[in-house]
Amino acid sequence: DAKTTQPNSMESNEEEPVHLPCNHSTISGTDYIHWYRQLPSQGPEYVIHGLTSNVNNRMASLAIAEDRKSSTLILHRATLRDAAVYYCILKTSYDKVIFGPGTSLSVIP
Amino acid sequence: GAGVSQSPSNKVTEKGKDVELRCDPISGHTALYWYRQSLGQGLEFLIYFQGNSAPDKSGLPSDRFSAERTGGSVSTLTIQRTQQEDSAVYLCASSTSTTGGWTNEKLFFGSGTQLSVL
Repeated sequence: DAKTTQPNSMESNEEEPVHLPCNHSTISGTDYIHWYRQLPSQGPEYVIHGLTSNVNNRMASLAIAEDRKSSTLILHRATLRDAAVYYCILKTSYDKVIFGPGTSLSVIP
Repeated sequence: GAGVSQSPSNKVTEKGKDVELRCDPISGHTALYWYRQSLGQGLEFLIYFQGNSAPDKSGLPSDRFSAERTGGSVSTLTIQRTQQEDSAVYLCASSTSTTGGWTNEKLFFGSGTQLSVL
């Protein structure tokens, strides 16, 4: 079973920030938090990952709670091209990666 | 092109036939994953290879499914006696090796093989 819980769907207005939450209450000290997204008719693509500290890259920001039991993916200005299913997963050394159903993000023009 | 390559991109077969799906991971990646995605559904884990370790086959749905990875590189997913419920997109992903301790390797996905069983 997936070790993360996400809302099934979210909506955002174009050019507005989007905060996608993820709960991972059973996270262990060695698990990395990864986010991937899947655009329609494509394979998933990496977005961002982190361990304890907040992370920023050109695609998004990742805010990690102090107790690491939850995290939030932040898209600073949603565009129509950001409409996708966003997956939050825990990455453990030498172990399979289980994806949950993810959050389907709709962006409204 | 240094991405994960999957072939064929589309495969149409008749019920009861065997099919082989191929995955070429990124060079040097020691971890390889197979997933299945039915229409409108999430990613279903099938099998995981890590280096020379025994693969984790816990996600294979039946004994009609098997996979191998030759020389630590190319992987083949074989489905015997295909059924209509096997119709799905089969995705392969690879990631860099882990060297012990904490790991942060990213998964890189191929574009998938769309399997249709008539």
